[in-house]
Amino acid sequence: GIQVEQSPPDLILQEGANSTLRCNFSDSVNNLQWFHQNPWGQLINLFYIPSGTKQNGRLSATTVATERYSLLYISSSQTTDSGVYFCAVAYNQGGKLIFGQGTELSVKP
Amino acid sequence: DSGVTQTPKHLITATGQRVTLRCSPRSGDLSVYWYQQSLDQGLQFLIHYYNGEERAKGNILERFSAQQFPDLHSELNLSSLELGDSALYFCASSVGLAGGQFFGPGTRLTVL
Repeated sequence: GIQVEQSPPDLILQEGANSTLRCNFSDSVNNLQWFHQNPWGQLINLFYIPSGTKQNGRLSATTVATERYSLLYISSSQTTDSGVYFCAVAYNQGGKLIFGQGTELSVKP
Repeated sequence: DSGVTQTPKHLITATGQRVTLRCSPRSGDLSVYWYQQSLDQGLQFLIHYYNGEERAKGNILERFSAQQFPDLHSELNLSSLELGDSALYFCASSVGLAGGQFFGPGTRLTVL
């Protein structure tokens, strides 16, 4: 099956700093999503981005499908950005999402 | 708020018992997915229903079963519960067979 690898596994930032999270996947995908799991366990949908670039406020994401990776950019980080960021992909025109192991982000005031 | 609702939010039960988790998808979504998040296995796909029919199965135990009803809500039944079944169970929905999925708040199951 497809492999999804996220890096780095952990990241500690000072408030106001920028960061880049990476997701590598081992096969062609028909769906790629980025999620933020907050400290209360909720999975917040950030981006649906099987290819191309999208921006939403301080967050943006780019997926280069031909090179099988996606990047999530967080600018001017805030303490509320803390939590775990997951990349998830679907392949073979299927719907089930395969999740990476996540990047745990901690933003210090 | 994703528009996907799950009940209950928390469930505490004993080994050997049976529980039912409920999910209502976003209005207009025909697909419902169930995922399990445990400390040792991470987030794993369990099962996918589309318009009442099972479409795909993942790492779902035989003790677990699910169905999607005509009104499109779905239930996940977990029986003969074991300590290792303690986890966060998420439901997600999407419009079609693939495409972006929106996740509910989850049901936290604790088996004592």
